[in-house]
Amino acid sequence: GAVVSQHPSWVICKSGTSVKIECRSLDFQATTMFWYRQFPKQSLMLMATSNEGSKATYEQGVEKDKFLINHASLTLSTLTVTSAHPEDSSFYICSASTPEATGELFFGEGSRLTVL
Amino acid sequence: KQEVTQIPAALSVPEGENLVLNCSFTDSAIYNLQWFRQDPGKGLTSLLLIQSSQREQTSGRLNASLDKSSGRSTLYIAASQPGDSATYLCAADFQGAQKLVFGQGTRLTINP
Repeated sequence: GAVVSQHPSWVICKSGTSVKIECRSLDFQATTMFWYRQFPKQSLMLMATSNEGSKATYEQGVEKDKFLINHASLTLSTLTVTSAHPEDSSFYICSASTPEATGELFFGEGSRLTVL
Repeated sequence: KQEVTQIPAALSVPEGENLVLNCSFTDSAIYNLQWFRQDPGKGLTSLLLIQSSQREQTSGRLNASLDKSSGRSTLYIAASQPGDSATYLCAADFQGAQKLVFGQGTRLTINP
């Protein structure tokens, strides 16, 4: 299957700082990527849809000024958590679909964010 | 509201048994349904994708079915192995926009 890679795998930061997480499609081009968040012992919740060359679309309740998404190329989307607080501590996972558009989505390894 | 539910939350079975994981969804106008595996602290591995026009998909020891009329999908695992221990998630695309709605997952433990 297609490979999606995230970096970093885990990050610890101080409250009030910003953290950037990268999501790359390694062997295909992805015009659309998706960002999910997973709290401990809970399932994944869609945060936003990242569109190459245009603004991201955010799900209801997700603060777009806090979670900045940039999709500057067909293989890279970034999620920046601005002014992070302890309640932002979570597991962030991105996904992408291949150009064949079968509907199958491939997920990255996830990035665990801990805000102190 | 479009929701996906997985019951039970956890399941433990002896090695070698065949087992079925259940997934139910609230809207029969589903575009597709995908089953994933998640190991602790890891991302998701895609197992099977079933399109709305399909009834089932098979991959090795895994077989997934889809019954839109009853709002159910099942993942059948044959001859279970300890390496199958993981959390299994089902997710539905209700809008055709690839925005997946996930179930809570079933944490599966295969005992040697």
